[in-house]
Amino acid sequence: DAGITQSPRHKVTETGTPVTLRCHQTENHRYMYWYRQDPGHGLRLIHYSYGVKDTDKGEVSDGYSVSRSKTEDFLLTLESATSSQTSVYFCAIGGQGNYGGELFFGEGSRLTVL
Amino acid sequence: AQKITQTQPGMFVQEKEAVTLDCTYDTSDQSYGLFWYKQPSSGEMIFLIYQGSYDEQNATEGRYSLNFQKARKSANLVISASQLGDSAMYFCAMRVIFRLTFGKGITLSVRP
Repeated sequence: DAGITQSPRHKVTETGTPVTLRCHQTENHRYMYWYRQDPGHGLRLIHYSYGVKDTDKGEVSDGYSVSRSKTEDFLLTLESATSSQTSVYFCAIGGQGNYGGELFFGEGSRLTVL
Repeated sequence: AQKITQTQPGMFVQEKEAVTLDCTYDTSDQSYGLFWYKQPSSGEMIFLIYQGSYDEQNATEGRYSLNFQKARKSANLVISASQLGDSAMYFCAMRVIFRLTFGKGITLSVRP
């Protein structure tokens, strides 16, 4: 196991409520990522981090914010959830340098926004 | 911007036969990494194989090989001797300057 856990694993919430997903790692990896997976779209990058307090946007970052105050935790926040954010969210860790190294994925967090 | 294209519809292969899953990519960067991941129906993402842009030899990992054609910007996955457990969704991905971008995936079904 790559030492990565996501919480919660399942969540149902209502439109307009804030939601925070947590990704926790025990591997001391520098790089951490948040993806969402939707049918027909594959995995799309939301945000990623290349160090503590160093984050950047991915291709579908609107409506999401992230924080990384320590190496082991990467939080994804939906400030005001919408039905279009119903999805399965994956956290990933790993990578070496600019382009190498495999990424290890968490088990996913299924979010339903009613 | 980086882009990964997987356009094959659902693929079918007979057990014990080989199958090729297509992937093309687009980037203006000279340094990049190419990956293939497998996602079975249980949902986890399983790393299969990696190819660096400067690697001269095609990567191999057991029954998996990556047919890397740099000039064509293609990185096809070849699975030899297919097994029933290979039935899954397969994703091609490219990593450039920290970011890992995925294609939309290909569904592979292995027939007994």
